Parts: sequence; C-alpha cells; structure tokens
Amino acid sequence: DQQVKQNSPSLSVQEGRISILNCDYTNSMFDYFLWYKKYPAEGPTFLISISSIKDKNEDGRFTVFLNKSAKHLSLHIVPSQPGDSAVYFCAASADYKLSFGAGTTVTVRA
Amino acid sequence: DVKVTQSSRYLVKRTGEKVFLECVQDMDHENMFWYRQDPGLGLRLIYFSYDVKMKEKGDIPEGYSVSREKKERFSLILESASTNQTSMYLCASRGPGLLNTEAFFGQGTRLTVV
Repeated sequence: DQQVKQNSPSLSVQEGRISILNCDYTNSMFDYFLWYKKYPAEGPTFLISISSIKDKNEDGRFTVFLNKSAKHLSLHIVPSQPGDSAVYFCAASADYKLSFGAGTTVTVRA
Repeated sequence: DVKVTQSSRYLVKRTGEKVFLECVQDMDHENMFWYRQDPGLGLRLIYFSYDVKMKEKGDIPEGYSVSREKKERFSLILESASTNQTSMYLCASRGPGLLNTEAFFGQGTRLTVV
C-alpha cells in the first residue's frame, strides 16, 4: 500500500517554462516532505524540503508547496533548464524512515 | 563533503549465490537504510537500522537480511539470490534521531541475477 503517490509518470516541458510536479500522500502522520532528483546510474540527490508547519519553501528556481488539508504537495521549477531532465521523487517522513513515490520523469525540450 | 559509499557500482551474480552489498557513511549518522528502485515502483524500503546492531524490516524484507556491526557500515545480504532480485540497490543515511533532515544516498549498485 503506497502511502506516497506520484500519479504522473512523465512530464515534458519546454526550456524556460515552468515544470510542475505533483505528489499526494495518505498518511496524516507525515510531518516532513522532500523532493529528490535522480539521474540514471546515480543515487538520488536532495533538492528541497518542507516541514508540515509551513505551506511554502523556496530555494532558487525550486519552490515546494504543501496543502495539508488536501494531503498534496507540488514542486515548481522555474525556469526549466536542460540539466533538469531527470527523475524526480517525492518523499515523506513521520519518523526515522522516508517513504517515496514512484517518481516522475521530466524531459526539458530545447 | 558528506559521503555515502557503496562497495560496487555493478554486480552480476548467479541464482542461489549469497550476495553482500556494503555501504559506508562518514557523517556519524545513526540511521541507515537499504532501498531498491524498480521502474514504476519508485524506491521501496527493504530494511533500516537506527543504531548499531539494531534493525527493522521495511516494506519488502523477504529474501534479504542486514548487518550493522559498526555505526558507519550497513550491509545488505541476499541469502540466496533470485532473478526477481535484479534491481538497483540504494543505501542511504540520515541523522540524527527524529529531527527533520534529508537522507543522503550512495551512488547505487546495479545488481543482475542470472
């Protein structure tokens, strides 16, 4: 039973435009949320996180929004760049461990 | 610069072999994890450890065991490898305790069981 869901397996966006990635969760005990980026044959790298006491966190081109009542978070990348082409994983935590979604493959077109 | 190092990038093993995947972290983290990544399934937690000699089952522990004799090292063991264990294996560490922090991942081990 997957507690973190990314329902869009892929996203294609033009360079310079906004990428919006979505994530839903079912466990109301989750209090910390993260986004990771992964290139093929490499480990995931941390991008940005948000605590459940906030509804927005921004870091450069990356912004994460949290809607606790809807159990939904999103990652905005503005502007999208070719190097952003990767798999993005949403993750959530209630204790020691992180639960991950299935990932969204982002392709940025020139 | 923080580092999680997995002993092998690529491994090919035969069905029935005992396989050891090693992971070392240099951040003095209490928590260490083994995940596997499969297409369409994301990262699934196999086992985790929150202290030396302590371990807990994750979501898919069947066919695996772990060992944590030292704080910096967490090993994943496939007692008798099977073809359905062909996957990308990822080790991660996180700390301290229950504070909200990110996990750091190793580079991954692509295991093929033939």
